[in-house]
Amino acid sequence: AQKVTQAQTEISVVEKEDVTLDCVYETRDTTYYLFWYKQPPSGELVFLIRRNSFDEQNEISGRYSWNFQKSTSSFNFTITASQVVDSAVYFCALSRNNAGNMLTFGGGTRLMVKP
Amino acid sequence: DGGITQSPKYLFRKEGQNVTLSCEQNLNHDAMYWYRQDPGQGLRLIYYSQIVNDFQKGDIAEGYSVSREKKESFPLTVTSAQKNPTAFYLCASSRTGTGNNEQFFGPGTRLTVL
Repeated sequence: AQKVTQAQTEISVVEKEDVTLDCVYETRDTTYYLFWYKQPPSGELVFLIRRNSFDEQNEISGRYSWNFQKSTSSFNFTITASQVVDSAVYFCALSRNNAGNMLTFGGGTRLMVKP
Repeated sequence: DGGITQSPKYLFRKEGQNVTLSCEQNLNHDAMYWYRQDPGQGLRLIYYSQIVNDFQKGDIAEGYSVSREKKESFPLTVTSAQKNPTAFYLCASSRTGTGNNEQFFGPGTRLTVL
């Protein structure tokens, strides 16, 4: 069975602080995919990144960066110099290679960035 | 613009009534999904469909039904058998039904049972 754990239910930071959102996953598959989604107050989930299990390179996109470590089954997300517009709920998710692309979501981390 | 539309945005239902939530996509995606989100929780999969005229149950299918008669459309019916239907419902689609395809989400329908 697959499982995704986001231990931080809520994080509050002041604008311009860096913040890291943790994601730990469990799977028996050797090939799998990890995702991060952002859910702003409007409710629609916005895709941020997909990472394949065989590609452990870290990725940076502007103020966002992702650290994938298979050894610790973690896929953490860092926002550098946070802004108020980053306030949202962030979800980490896991899918299997050949199982209908079903996503297993973590419980989400609510990030509040205060001015 | 390509995307996923869900209607209505807010829906109120009396206990014992069936209600159908609409989901349409013009992304030419093969696969479509329905998720349920309860306050403060992650998303749980209700049903998914990888191709037209075919669909499978997700983790919490009891009390729900779907159809996939057209590629663009995947309506969800919340039946009176669903014991606690008040929730936020999100529809998604992906290019194919394999795990390496990101899912794109609609704006959601908030269902309240009175």
